[in-house]
Amino acid sequence: GAVVSQHPSRVICKSGTSVKIECRSLDFQATTMFWYRQFPKQSLMLMATSNEGSKATYEQGVEKDKFLINHASLTLSTLTVTSAHPEDSSFYICSADRGRGETQYFGPGTRLLVL
Amino acid sequence: DAKTTQPPSMDCAEGRAANLPCNHSTISGNEYVYWYRQIHSQGPQYIIHGLKNNETNEMASLIITEDRKSSTLILPHATLRDTAVYYCIVRLTLYNQFYFGTGTSLTVIP
Repeated sequence: GAVVSQHPSRVICKSGTSVKIECRSLDFQATTMFWYRQFPKQSLMLMATSNEGSKATYEQGVEKDKFLINHASLTLSTLTVTSAHPEDSSFYICSADRGRGETQYFGPGTRLLVL
Repeated sequence: DAKTTQPPSMDCAEGRAANLPCNHSTISGNEYVYWYRQIHSQGPQYIIHGLKNNETNEMASLIITEDRKSSTLILPHATLRDTAVYYCIVRLTLYNQFYFGTGTSLTVIP
């Protein structure tokens, strides 16, 4: 089956610092990757859609200057939370698919805690 | 925006079939129904998907009504490891985005 990894699995940082989260498709090339955020006891919320070699498309209400997404290759997308604040503490999950009509495969998630 | 409605929670006895309903009354003809589940603090796991025919795989069966306005995910012999939040999602084939609803929290009871 298709495997998606995320690194790190959890991170603690100080308020005002930036944090980078990596998402990799390990055994397939992902034309599109997605980033989600999930707060405790809530559902996943789509943040942005990332296509290799082009700018990410952000969902309404998601600040693109705060959540920087780079999709440099067909197997790697990164999410950088800039100037993180305690309210950015959340579970960040990425997913990837191989193209139209394919299902999405999700990573294990990254738990971010901003102090 | 999520286009599905699911009961917030359900219980099922271990070894029995778990039947999880989903309403998607506004589904269009070229939208698929997907089911994922999320075990606590993990990423969602793909279960099954379908367009209009019933589908079965090693994990579950998906029954879609003839008018496609609702579907049921069936776990034939629930185990304790099936305790999770189950999400029903409709997705247009030409677009990739998934919009998650609130899901059903299934608890399998010994």
